[in-house]
Amino acid sequence: AQSVTQLGSHVSVSEGALVLLRCNYSSSVPPYLFWYVQYPNQGLQLLLKYTSAATLVKGINGFEAEFKKSETSFHLTKPSAHMSDAAEYFCAVSPNSGGYQKVTFGTGTKLQVIP
Amino acid sequence: DGGITQSPKYLFRKEGQNVTLSCEQNLNHDAMYWYRQDPGQGLRLIYYSQIVNDFQKGDIAEGYSVSREKKESFPLTVTSAQKNPTAFYLCATSPPGRGSEKLFFGSGTQLSVL
Repeated sequence: AQSVTQLGSHVSVSEGALVLLRCNYSSSVPPYLFWYVQYPNQGLQLLLKYTSAATLVKGINGFEAEFKKSETSFHLTKPSAHMSDAAEYFCAVSPNSGGYQKVTFGTGTKLQVIP
Repeated sequence: DGGITQSPKYLFRKEGQNVTLSCEQNLNHDAMYWYRQDPGQGLRLIYYSQIVNDFQKGDIAEGYSVSREKKESFPLTVTSAQKNPTAFYLCATSPPGRGSEKLFFGSGTQLSVL
């Protein structure tokens, strides 16, 4: 069984401030972990993924996330928020077991960037 | 231009009516998926298909049906048995082999009930 918990359905930051979006996961097998971003009325786009290589993963648009097995966390960060970062962010997990990958999504965090 | 095309962008359903959402891809991906998105609930898997002429139920398949007659196409029918169909529907694909864990999404169809 696998699950994802995203803490905070809405997060507000000032432009230029640190962005921190929290994600904790539960998985009975070594997981793959993902962050996706969704802009209004659009599909999801992959920001970054962890697949058991380096624990610090860098993604697009200056985002990065660190896999911490001891804390079962995969928080998303960006040093300086831009207005264009305003969107909804989804953390997701799938079993690292090959074949078809059943992805489980969190409930999402809407990021608001205040000018 | 490679990608996933969902149509229509907006769809309205009358009481007791079946409606079909289209999903076409030219990425040559084997696996295709349908997700339902409701505010505050994330994405929930309706159906998925790994190869042509084969598909499996996801977590919330009741009231929905699919077909996979061609690799490029995976239409979703929302039947009259689905009593709460208003949601944003997303089609996704994933490539074979290495990288199969990554999902590619279409731009979605918003279904509303009249």
